[in-house]
Amino acid sequence: NAGVTQTPKFRILKIGQSMTLQCAQDMNHNYMYWYRQDPGMGLKLIYYSVGAGITDKGEVPNGYNVSRSTTEDFPLRLELAAPSQTSVYFCASSYSIEQETQYFGPGTRLLVL
Amino acid sequence: GQNIDQPTEMTATEGAIVQINCTYQTSGFNGLFWYQQHAGEAPTFLSYNVLDGLEEKGRFSSFLSRSKGYSYLLLKELQMKDSASYLCAVRDGDYKLSFGAGTTVTVRA
Repeated sequence: NAGVTQTPKFRILKIGQSMTLQCAQDMNHNYMYWYRQDPGMGLKLIYYSVGAGITDKGEVPNGYNVSRSTTEDFPLRLELAAPSQTSVYFCASSYSIEQETQYFGPGTRLLVL
Repeated sequence: GQNIDQPTEMTATEGAIVQINCTYQTSGFNGLFWYQQHAGEAPTFLSYNVLDGLEEKGRFSSFLSRSKGYSYLLLKELQMKDSASYLCAVRDGDYKLSFGAGTTVTVRA
């Protein structure tokens, strides 16, 4: 099992550009999550999904969109990049919402200039 | 929203013991987690407490008091590789995780 994979590892965007952060898991997990982590801050939940076709907002969803067409993939879309979106983005998954832990991907470091 | 507090930094000597405290206020409670995060890497799961008391896993132990909104992570026999950030996270009544800002532990020889 590869676990949770994310691409790209690092990206520089100009203000106003758009991009999609990819996340995939091969553990047949129903639940998937997107977090952002700013320096000196805790991880904050952006969006989450409880299964294919179902997504919901987390704590900081503004400026982002998600989709979940398959169990394996959960891409995060930035439509109009802003400097405030400079952060490290982590995708995570779990089999059930009660599962003891979420499994995190390696992260995508995004710099918006 | 959730309020989770933990110290910013701690320093200890190799072989020593360090205790990282975490206090929280949440709407509903469905467990408290501790994660380890090395610089530039993803968080990895260390421990989970949902009932009051101590959970021991090798050199790492975690304690929970739900009535006090308090937990601690105890790291024993510190090794250089334990230098990392330790994140306290609380799962609320909606089963969403909220994270503290993390405690950076530096282990000195």
